[in-house]
Amino acid sequence: AQRVTQPEKLLSVFKGAPVELKCNYSYSGSPELFWYVQYSRQRLQLLLRHISRESIKGFTADLNKGETSFHLKKPFAQEEDSAMYYCALNRGGKLIFGQGTELSVKP
Amino acid sequence: GAVVSQHPSRVICKSGTSVKIECRSLDFQATTMFWYRQFPKQSLMLMATSNEGSKATYEQGVEKDKFLINHASLTLSTLTVTSAHPEDSSFYICSAQAGGPDADTQYFGPGTRLTVL
Repeated sequence: AQRVTQPEKLLSVFKGAPVELKCNYSYSGSPELFWYVQYSRQRLQLLLRHISRESIKGFTADLNKGETSFHLKKPFAQEEDSAMYYCALNRGGKLIFGQGTELSVKP
Repeated sequence: GAVVSQHPSRVICKSGTSVKIECRSLDFQATTMFWYRQFPKQSLMLMATSNEGSKATYEQGVEKDKFLINHASLTLSTLTVTSAHPEDSSFYICSAQAGGPDADTQYFGPGTRLTVL
């Protein structure tokens, strides 16, 4: 079954520390993965997608097919990065979301 | 560009009444719209996929007679929660796909908070 797992509900780090939000997926085909972010009282918005291999707001994510992972990383967290982060898998045009990880960056 | 709006942003209704939620793509034509339900601090659960001019496709476990979806135009989809009950209280979010080169990107609305008394 297709599934996205984000094992951490809450991740708390200090400003300037590295951050890694974990995402593992289960998918039989060639996966298309995304990271979405939801800041407080704002709508969900696309952060990045694996096929574009871009860095947005200092975040990067590499697809590791061997480990079936798509972890989101940032070398130096900022307070404004505090938000809910969702990993998502494209399944035939539909998105399957992980449970989400709340990132809290403390000053 | 690619803005999606929802109306209302918040609604409170009595048990047994029906509530309609609108989802509009403001600056693009949405070939496909999606409806999600989100519980507090939890993931988004896809309820149904809506294509303009055709019947919506519901996910397993979603009652199509309870959650009526209409996608009458390329910029508007509506979700009607019929005979609402307290357990239907939730945050309902829509998203829209534009098609074309950006076909797989979904743009999300701000959500509608439904409270059923």
